[in-house]
Amino acid sequence: GAVVSQHPSWVICKSGTSVKIECRSLDFQATTMFWYRQFPKQSLMLMATSNEGSKATYEQGVEKDKFLINHASLTLSTLTVTSAHPEDSSFYICSARDLRDQETQYFGPGTRLLVL
Amino acid sequence: SQQGEEDPQALSIQEGENATMNCSYKTSINNLQWYRQNSGRGLVHLILIRSNEREKHSGRLRVTLDTSKKSSSLLITASRAADTASYFCATDDFNKFYFGSGTKLNVKP
Repeated sequence: GAVVSQHPSWVICKSGTSVKIECRSLDFQATTMFWYRQFPKQSLMLMATSNEGSKATYEQGVEKDKFLINHASLTLSTLTVTSAHPEDSSFYICSARDLRDQETQYFGPGTRLLVL
Repeated sequence: SQQGEEDPQALSIQEGENATMNCSYKTSINNLQWYRQNSGRGLVHLILIRSNEREKHSGRLRVTLDTSKKSSSLLITASRAADTASYFCATDDFNKFYFGSGTKLNVKP
């Protein structure tokens, strides 16, 4: 079946550094990818919708200069957490919508970010 | 949550009993999906129900959808200890994909 990978699976960084998370659709093309964050014991909050070749659409309250999203190809989207702070520590999950089937999307395994 | 609330927030039952979780949402949808998530892990897709469907079955799962009330329910029959997880509904309007607040299910052996 279709697979979405995320890299890295976990990352620990110092406060003030930037962290890039990659989301790849491995055997299908995705025009749309979604980025979510999940705090412990909470639900997934949609951060932004990423469309290939165009600017991402951010949800209300999500700083676009803080969370940079680039969707350069039909199989890759990246989320960069700029100048990370401890409050950015969270579980980040991406999903990719299959170009051939609008109903179907696949979720990555998530990236756990810890900012010290 | 961004889309709606699920209730109960937490549910604890004995193995063999049925578990029912409810989801309410706010906007028009094309379909509604249910996912499970084990603690700290990724999501597992359970079932999808389209907006023109009222009920759907998959193994021990039964999902209902009432678009007039903007609500859905997930029934897990004959629960097992392995069903212990968090369950989330998610709504899809082909533009945005939002998750509900989730129900934490604990099935005691």
